[in-house]
Amino acid sequence: QSVLTQPPSASGTPGRRVTISCSGSSSNIGNNYVYWYQQFPGAAPKLLIYRNSQRPSGVPDRFSGSKSGTSASLAISGLRSEDEADYYCAAWDDSLSGWFFGGGTKLTVL
Amino acid sequence: EVHLVESGGGLVQPGGSLRLSCGASGFRFSNYWMSWVRQAPGKGLEWVANIKEDGSETYYVDSVKGRFTISRDNAKNLVYLQLNSLRAEDTAVYYCASDYFSGWGQGTLVTVSS
Repeated sequence: QSVLTQPPSASGTPGRRVTISCSGSSSNIGNNYVYWYQQFPGAAPKLLIYRNSQRPSGVPDRFSGSKSGTSASLAISGLRSEDEADYYCAAWDDSLSGWFFGGGTKLTVL
Repeated sequence: EVHLVESGGGLVQPGGSLRLSCGASGFRFSNYWMSWVRQAPGKGLEWVANIKEDGSETYYVDSVKGRFTISRDNAKNLVYLQLNSLRAEDTAVYYCASDYFSGWGQGTLVTVSS
């Protein structure tokens, strides 16, 4: 059982909004920041959201992050074909003293 | 801009050892935690280990404790991962990453097979 749980897949049509969830517990998401990463096949991951909802420079404002209690979400609005990728959440776990990634969500743009 | 370059991957037999290196540039290396993250073929990301700015603290995922060792040389802007007692399940692309994985290298492939 993963420490952080994501749906394995998500999909949406161009222009629409899609959200990807990340569920954890009080020792990780509940007490620490959540980070989100985007990864294309054959490439290294890229930071998309840091500290729950902050966007690094260069990341479009179509991407947004939020956190509530022990869960977090990544929202992508104005969906584009180039958003088709794998998305991962991550958080530090105080009880396990380590970083944990969610299992990843494969986003398909229909 | 953060620039990280890993090296040292390759094919190794079960029970063997490898040392991975990661060279950093474009940021004040000595001010940042550094991590190694791996990704098995077709699988998700797994954090392996990290090391504090001055090397005084290290943490590991349970599956590598006692087998892998992370270290750093702030004078040379390098971070290392020593992999011992390698198993088939350690086969993965190993990425070096800075801080909260704000920057990533291109990865180096470690294949454990006889």
